[in-house]
Amino acid sequence: GDSVTQMEGPVTLSEEAFLTINCTYTATGYPSLFWYVQYPGEGLQLLLKATKADDKGSNKGFEATYRKETTSFHLEKGSVQVSDSAVYFCALMEDKIIFGKGTRLHILP
Amino acid sequence: KAGVTQTPRYLIKTRGQQVTLSCSPISGHRSVSWYQQTPGQGLQFLFEYFSETQRNKGNFPGRFSGRQFSNSRSEMNVSTLELGDSALYLCASSLEGLRGTEAFFGQGTRLTVV
Repeated sequence: GDSVTQMEGPVTLSEEAFLTINCTYTATGYPSLFWYVQYPGEGLQLLLKATKADDKGSNKGFEATYRKETTSFHLEKGSVQVSDSAVYFCALMEDKIIFGKGTRLHILP
Repeated sequence: KAGVTQTPRYLIKTRGQQVTLSCSPISGHRSVSWYQQTPGQGLQFLFEYFSETQRNKGNFPGRFSGRQFSNSRSEMNVSTLELGDSALYLCASSLEGLRGTEAFFGQGTRLTVV
């Protein structure tokens, strides 16, 4: 069945560092791909999305490109801030949403 | 416009009891899906309702059930609660369903079973 694998955390970075969180997927069809972010005590917020191969999703300085050839959707940000500290979930959507396990990100000032 | 509203935010129940959680989707959205989030299993899909019909179901026992009303509001019921049902339950609404459209999540209901 469909699945999403993302890098284990926690990831700890200093402010202004470059961020990459790896995400790969397996799917039988042509899913849409998403990154969601969860702040402490909150639900999930959609960070960015891509609906077809080679699409690039971007929001708040974060980017991810839908790579069908490598079945990947890695999340990147050029310069992280303390306020980016949260849990990040990679997800695919076909007839239901399949989430990765989540990556906890700590940004140190 | 208002987001997805889940009530209550917190619940404490005793083993063997049943519980009903509520989700009001974004106005105009017809699809509501439910997810269970636990530290061990992560986020798992429970079921999706669209126009009052269950369209898809995850791998959960029959103790977990749901329904959707004509105004698209949805309820999830868990009967004969077990300790392992303690989790954050999230619902998401989307305009036409889960294929290719965005899903917007509520803040969740945290259920503790003692």
